[in-house]
Formats: sequence, C-alpha cells, structure tokens
Amino acid sequence: EPEVTQTPSHQVTQMGQEVILRCVPISNHLYFYWYRQILGQKVEFLVSFYNNEISEKSEIFDDQFSVERPDGSNFTLKIRSTKLEDSAMYFCASNWGGPYNEQFFGPGTRLTVL
Amino acid sequence: GESVGLHLPTLSVQEGDNSIINCAYSNSASDYFIWYKQESGKGPQFIIDIRSNMDKRQGQRVTVLLNKTVKHLSLQIAATQPGDSAVYFCAENPPPGNQFYFGTGTSLTVIP
Repeated sequence: EPEVTQTPSHQVTQMGQEVILRCVPISNHLYFYWYRQILGQKVEFLVSFYNNEISEKSEIFDDQFSVERPDGSNFTLKIRSTKLEDSAMYFCASNWGGPYNEQFFGPGTRLTVL
Repeated sequence: GESVGLHLPTLSVQEGDNSIINCAYSNSASDYFIWYKQESGKGPQFIIDIRSNMDKRQGQRVTVLLNKTVKHLSLQIAATQPGDSAVYFCAENPPPGNQFYFGTGTSLTVIP
C-alpha cells in the first residue's frame, strides 16, 4: 500500500542552524501539506502546496519557513534559522483532491533544537 | 513564557464495549470535519469525515455525529478492540481555505 515517507525520523540541530525536512508524498497525489505538533500539544497546520506553489499558509509559517518540490517526488520544508520553539514533530501529508479528501500523513520527523 | 503541554482527556473502555469520544469545535462556519487516530510514534490516520450538510455518517465500526447547533462532534466506535487504543482528535475546516484546525485529542485505552 502506498504511503508517505519522511526523512530523517529525528533531527537534532543547534539554534540558528538551517534544517531541511524531507517528504516523499504518495506518487499520484497533487496536494501536499506540512503540519507540526509540539510535544503534548495540538497538531497545527503550517502550509499547503499545489501546482508548485503555496496555496495556503498559517501564521506560524513565517519568513523562516519555506517549502519546495525540487523534483517529481520530494517535498521539503526548510527552516532557515531554527529557534528553540521550533522543536516539534513535523508531519507531511498528501492527497489527490484537496481539502475535502482524505489526507495521508507520514510518520513525522522529530526536530530537536538545542 | 514556558509552554505547558495539554492534559488529554482520557477514556478507558472494556474490550467489546462501545466508545464515544467527543469534540467541541470552535468555528460555526466550518463545513468539513475529520476524525483522526494517532498511535504513539505515528502520524495521524484518517478515520472518517463528515460535511456540514450531514448529521451522521457511518463507516466500518465507526459513526460520526455532527450537531451544528452546539458545535459538537462525536465519534462512536462499536465493539472497541485493543488495537483501537490511541489518541483521537477532530479537525475542522472553515471556508474558504484548506486550513484545518485540530482539537486537543482524547486518549482511548481499551482494556482487554
């Protein structure tokens, strides 16, 4: 069964460093999403991406964040200069038909900023 | 200030009993809702969805009820099994965009 994959599973970085979180969405999906979940808190929407551009972003997704689909399979989230409060689980998700269709989530990347 | 983790509501049920998990959503304009299951160390998994033009939707062993008057969703799991143990949370989607807002979650424990 197709699934969304994410790498790495755990990323440790120093404050101020750049990190890139990688996702491989399900191959025939057209819509891609990033979410984060700070430990013990709610899942929060970051950004949605369709047709090679951001379709929506939340207040969390400020200038420090960017997303890219560099090729036909990968979908990346870059945090330019990490802060302590960026420590969280980051989930990638994808679906084929936009918001009214089931989103398939990856297993997440745990980001720890020291 | 320091960020404090939320204390999840918990629900413990005997295997074979029915479970009811509740969610209060915040935006009366939300027109699409999803229930997710999240097992430890995994990403959220879609369970069932419902549009605002419906009051009830049934899946395999699960039923979602929507009460728009009081902005309340419930998830009913029939004949709960140990594999149902997880955190369950709802998500709402207010128009016009595709941004979802997630609830806190309820931790379900099934006692064999």
